[in-house]
Amino acid sequence: DGGITQSPKYLFRKEGQNVTLSCEQNLNHDAMYWYRQDPGQGLRLIYYSQIVNDFQKGDIAEGYSVSREKKESFPLTVTSAQKNPTAFYLCASSGMVATNEKLFFGSGTQLSVL
Amino acid sequence: AQSVTQLGSHVSVSEGALVLLRCNYSSSVPPYLFWYVQYPNQGLQLLLKYTTGATLVKGINGFEAEFKKSETSFHLTKPSAHMSDAAEYFCAVSDGGRGSTLGRLYFGRGTQLTVWP
Repeated sequence: DGGITQSPKYLFRKEGQNVTLSCEQNLNHDAMYWYRQDPGQGLRLIYYSQIVNDFQKGDIAEGYSVSREKKESFPLTVTSAQKNPTAFYLCASSGMVATNEKLFFGSGTQLSVL
Repeated sequence: AQSVTQLGSHVSVSEGALVLLRCNYSSSVPPYLFWYVQYPNQGLQLLLKYTTGATLVKGINGFEAEFKKSETSFHLTKPSAHMSDAAEYFCAVSDGGRGSTLGRLYFGRGTQLTVWP
């Protein structure tokens, strides 16, 4: 079945530690996105990528990093510089760069701080 | 710039009652508008979208929304609520991209719908 797979479902981070969230898609989509969801705040864009080896900062990129070495993969690293990382992280993809095409979402990763 | 305001962070209705979730947007260009639904601990699913053409848009699960340019609104409705409709609903706006520029979605803060038996 085609779709987006995020792993792990739950992740715990110790202070000062970097953690990486995985996002893989087999939809052959060009564009991929990372969103952060906090209760009552909707979704905020962290990073997005239109093509392999290219990505752009979204609205809240500080403390995060990404890579796009393969079309199907867009991992997100939450660095120690992100002081409030506890949130639900959603990865998404779309078939075309223009977002009148719908986004397909993964099932999310809940990140918590120990 | 684009932005979305969802009026009411929580809406409660009885099963069988009308569902009305409000969304107002701001956009400097003709907008593309979306409603997404999120069930607990899951990603978002597209309910419906408006790009051009007919202003009344029908989506999945009996939902529909009407684009009203004069009111800058895109309210979501369903004539008769079902228990399975309980979820969080997000309105989103996009400029759809221009040329090679990636169009971006801007989400509202969400409305939690509770359906009482």
